[in-house]
Amino acid sequence: DAMVIQNPRYQVTQFGKPVTLSCSQTLNHNVMYWYQQKSSQAPKLLFHYYDKDFNNEADTPDNFQSRRPNTSFCFLDIRSPGLGDAAMYLCATSRGGLAGYEQYFGPGTRLTVT
Amino acid sequence: DQQVKQNSPSLSVQEGRISILNCDYTNSMFDYFLWYKKYPAEGPTFLISISSIKDKNEDGRFTVFLNKSAKHLSLHIVPSQPGDSAVYFCAASEKGSSNTGKLIFGQGTTLQVKP
Repeated sequence: DAMVIQNPRYQVTQFGKPVTLSCSQTLNHNVMYWYQQKSSQAPKLLFHYYDKDFNNEADTPDNFQSRRPNTSFCFLDIRSPGLGDAAMYLCATSRGGLAGYEQYFGPGTRLTVT
Repeated sequence: DQQVKQNSPSLSVQEGRISILNCDYTNSMFDYFLWYKKYPAEGPTFLISISSIKDKNEDGRFTVFLNKSAKHLSLHIVPSQPGDSAVYFCAASEKGSSNTGKLIFGQGTTLQVKP
């Protein structure tokens, strides 16, 4: 089945220690997104790639970076995690263009910062 | 400034009855609206959507209504089943973002359907 895969599902990192979360897709979608979701809050878009074009949200902290080496993979790098970065991180994909409204989500990675 | 709001954090309904989940938005440029369903330990899954040119869209037990003048949409589930118990997110997309389908989400409503 075509799907969006996130690894790991649970990640524990220390305060200030860089961490990378990974996302892969078998849908061959053009667009990949990273969201941050804190408890009882709306998923918040951090950035997205349309093919190789990177689009950063204005309020995404510089501490968050992303890489998309190819169509299938996208990474979220947190350079110096703080306690406030503990959250669920969701990866999603879409076709883009006029058919691109529907997004397909992975199961998420829950990040704990100690 | 939250552009998409779900003012009810939770809703409890008896099996077989109607569930009505509400969503309000502030941005008149939104032209497409979606509902997602999320079970614990899973990512959100697409449920149903509606374009701003329509006021109703139906898919089986699920119907979404859009009232543009009130900037309000609702999701009706009839009849509700225990398996519908989940968190429901409303999302909206803005004109001009069609190339990337950027979505703005509400904070979710937890639906519990009691047997």
